[in-house]
Amino acid sequence: SAVISQKPSRDICQRGTSLTIQCQVDSQVTMMFWYRQQPGQSLTLIATANQGSEATYESGFVIDKFPISRPNLTFSTLTVSNMSPEDSSIYLCSGADSFYDTEAFFGQGTRLTVV
Amino acid sequence: KQEVTQIPAALSVPEGENLVLNCSFTDSAIYNLQWFRQDPGKGLTSLLLIQSSQREQTSGRLNASLDKSSGRSTLYIAASQPGDSATYLCAPRRGFQKLVFGTGTRLLVSP
Repeated sequence: SAVISQKPSRDICQRGTSLTIQCQVDSQVTMMFWYRQQPGQSLTLIATANQGSEATYESGFVIDKFPISRPNLTFSTLTVSNMSPEDSSIYLCSGADSFYDTEAFFGQGTRLTVV
Repeated sequence: KQEVTQIPAALSVPEGENLVLNCSFTDSAIYNLQWFRQDPGKGLTSLLLIQSSQREQTSGRLNASLDKSSGRSTLYIAASQPGDSATYLCAPRRGFQKLVFGTGTRLLVSP
């Protein structure tokens, strides 16, 4: 399966600031996804990012807080805006082709701590 | 709404034991189910993908089974090693590539 390079791997940020996380895939993929994993919890889907259209957000997540870009089929960014300590989590991007029977694959995650 | 439960939540065993991790899901209308491994603070590594038409899938010391009608999957790890220590997540897929994750089983294998 394809490989996703995710950066940064970790960061410590001041409250009120924003952080942009990048994911680069080594091949073209139709679908990219962004997940959040709060401490001790499982993964929660934030949004689905498609090229050329606005991301589709899950209930509880809004574009103003988590703007997403998907300029081409190999790249996506997630920004965590106006951060608070509650945003401290691991953020993961994932990719998958359009076929439902293929594997989903993940980046190595970004461990964010907001102080 | 799909809900996924994994049992046990945590497991601690000596090296060499054979293990069974359980995953149950409430909505059996799935396309497939994927098992992942997550090391602390890291991303997910895909272990096995088992299609809804399959009953088993094997990779090395790992074997996953799927009983779609009863909403269950198991991951069998043979001859466990300390390097197997990680959290194991199952994720059934329904709809267009949307994964729903279980709560995970945290495994510790002692030398």
